[in-house]
Amino acid sequence: DAKTTQPNSMESNEEEPVHLPCNHSTISGTDYIHWYRQLPSQGPEYVIHGLTSNVNNRMASLAIAEDRKSSTLILHRATLRDAAVYYCILRDVDYGNKLVFGAGTILRVKS
Amino acid sequence: GAVVSQHPSRVICKSGTSVKIECRSLDFQATTMFWYRQFPKQSLMLMATSNEGSKATYEQGVEKDKFLINHASLTLSTLTVTSAHPEDSSFYICSASIQGNEQFFGPGTRLTVL
Repeated sequence: DAKTTQPNSMESNEEEPVHLPCNHSTISGTDYIHWYRQLPSQGPEYVIHGLTSNVNNRMASLAIAEDRKSSTLILHRATLRDAAVYYCILRDVDYGNKLVFGAGTILRVKS
Repeated sequence: GAVVSQHPSRVICKSGTSVKIECRSLDFQATTMFWYRQFPKQSLMLMATSNEGSKATYEQGVEKDKFLINHASLTLSTLTVTSAHPEDSSFYICSASIQGNEQFFGPGTRLTVL
């Protein structure tokens, strides 16, 4: 399984943008980049995913490097409800679409 | 968005008993369901992949005779923890996907074995 590397934790101020980085230097051509987040004692929540192009949705934006070896999840205006563990995961469509969760990044949002 | 439910949300049982956890996709038909386990302050660990009408595929190190998975319909999968012991206490989470696209996760089931 291709692996991702994320910082253990990050801190942000409320109402400010947050950029959560993810390195995936061994990514293969069929790997999709997925982001999920998990609040305490809850199941993970889908945030966004992409393959090559940058993606935007109502929750966030995903910026993917040209060589696809890294990506950045962008929360445009952090709120206290965005405090969670954010997981960057590579989904390999050739291997049953399994998601292999790493340690993720704990995002703390200060008011 | 797609909704996945789990029942029960929490369960406490005695050592040696069996516990069944249900996972339902409420507004879509899930071709594949996944079962994860999460210990405190750790990440999710995939236990098994379940396709409707076929046997589940277990990850390495997960005992298939202890964690029985049934996926009888496109909207329901069950995980039965047989002869549960305190070390099986964990947060069990299921997810469902449509044709291998993004996974939608259930809210989780907190199992405590006394």
